[in-house]
Amino acid sequence: SQQGEEDPQALSIQEGENATMNCSYKTSINNLQWYRQNSGRGLVHLILIRSNEREKHSGRLRVTLDTSKKSSSLLITASRAADTASYFCATDRGSGNTPLVFGKGTRLSVIA
Amino acid sequence: NAGVTQTPKFRVLKTGQSMTLLCAQDMNHEYMYWYRQDPGMGLRLIHYSVGEGTTAKGEVPDGYNVSRLKKQNFLLGLESAAPSQTSVYFCASSYRGQGYGYTFGSGTRLTVV
Repeated sequence: SQQGEEDPQALSIQEGENATMNCSYKTSINNLQWYRQNSGRGLVHLILIRSNEREKHSGRLRVTLDTSKKSSSLLITASRAADTASYFCATDRGSGNTPLVFGKGTRLSVIA
Repeated sequence: NAGVTQTPKFRVLKTGQSMTLLCAQDMNHEYMYWYRQDPGMGLRLIHYSVGEGTTAKGEVPDGYNVSRLKKQNFLLGLESAAPSQTSVYFCASSYRGQGYGYTFGSGTRLTVV
């Protein structure tokens, strides 16, 4: 069963613009992670944010987490054509060492 | 440093045939996972392993078996392939459980006709 759900399903922007993707989840978590998948490739880990963190940065990526709303956002600033990919959020279930549950992803297209 | 290597990359099976997908990692990771990815469904967990000699069922385990005889290898078996098992299969590994990012392989595209 899906734990995280990304919104929007697809997003198309111009190069240089910012891209924002959202993730909502249902149950409490310890960590939330974001991954990128280029067409025909495996997923690549981007960033991990813990439940006691509210914001985290990595290069042009900014991730926020609001545990009261059970939601997270991924912001990519000054987007490039190379950012074109699908982006997935993944959550644990807050107990034990159960594996990550992935959402269905947001497909981002950056037009040069 | 190869990371996670999956073989084969592509395979076409006839209904009822069997096959084994191999996943190998060279990062000394304890945890390994098999997911399948279908259009519109995201990634769904098939089986996983928290260490050598251990396996556990995920969300969609029916029709699949796994083995983790060596720490670096995680095998996914299809005993009698069905068209519903047409999918892209991804193996991943992580150093430990929660709190660690996953490293994914490049996937195996399987078609069952």
